[in-house]
Amino acid sequence: QLQLQESGPGLVKPSETLSLTCTVSGGSISSTTYYWGWIRQPPGKGLEWIGNVYYTGSTYYNPSLKSRVTISVDTSKNQFSLKLSSVTAADTAMYYCARAQGYLERSGYFPSEFDYWGQGTLVTVSS
Amino acid sequence: EIVLTQSPGTLSLSPGERATLSCRASQSVSSSYLAWYQQKPGQAPRLLIYGASSRATGIPDRFSGSGSETDFTLTISRLEPEDSAVYYCQQYGSSGGFTFGPGTKVDIK
Repeated sequence: QLQLQESGPGLVKPSETLSLTCTVSGGSISSTTYYWGWIRQPPGKGLEWIGNVYYTGSTYYNPSLKSRVTISVDTSKNQFSLKLSSVTAADTAMYYCARAQGYLERSGYFPSEFDYWGQGTLVTVSS
Repeated sequence: EIVLTQSPGTLSLSPGERATLSCRASQSVSSSYLAWYQQKPGQAPRLLIYGASSRATGIPDRFSGSGSETDFTLTISRLEPEDSAVYYCQQYGSSGGFTFGPGTKVDIK
């Protein structure tokens, strides 16, 4: 059974960089079928997509966060990571990692629905 | 960027009743690339429907999805107490970008 587990600091200071890692077990992050993604949810609010990464390192980011986000993959460790720079209190949220299926079009192979999710990790931005 | 609007914001129904949740897109969603998720308090979201109408593995057949282009619907045919949750729609397009709707809360009386 596939499992995803987020890890990283639960408290980050304003203006610093938030760093989280998602460890995948029960499956290979190097599969050509799947993308891997990050989603966040501020307390009491809805879901916000952050971005996706393919095992090759190819990425897609939310345009509203693109200037501050880096998502990378480490196939040797079966992990992928999120870095969000210059954080403010507005970045306080539950952060989820997830696996995305993919679909093929003439222009390429793209991520689709998230079928497996981690349990989430709460990150608070505060001094 | 495609914006998703969900209605109603909250739905309060009794067990056994039918729930109809709407998701409307600001522009056409290509090839019905739309998914629905269920989220219960303190839990991660769970995939219910993908491709607008395909049920995910293990999802009861009382959950069904329909629609195309800009109008999509999630129907729960016979509500059970455990269906109390927030339901989100999500679109994915050939640009590789995703958006989520704001959610519909379903309360079981």
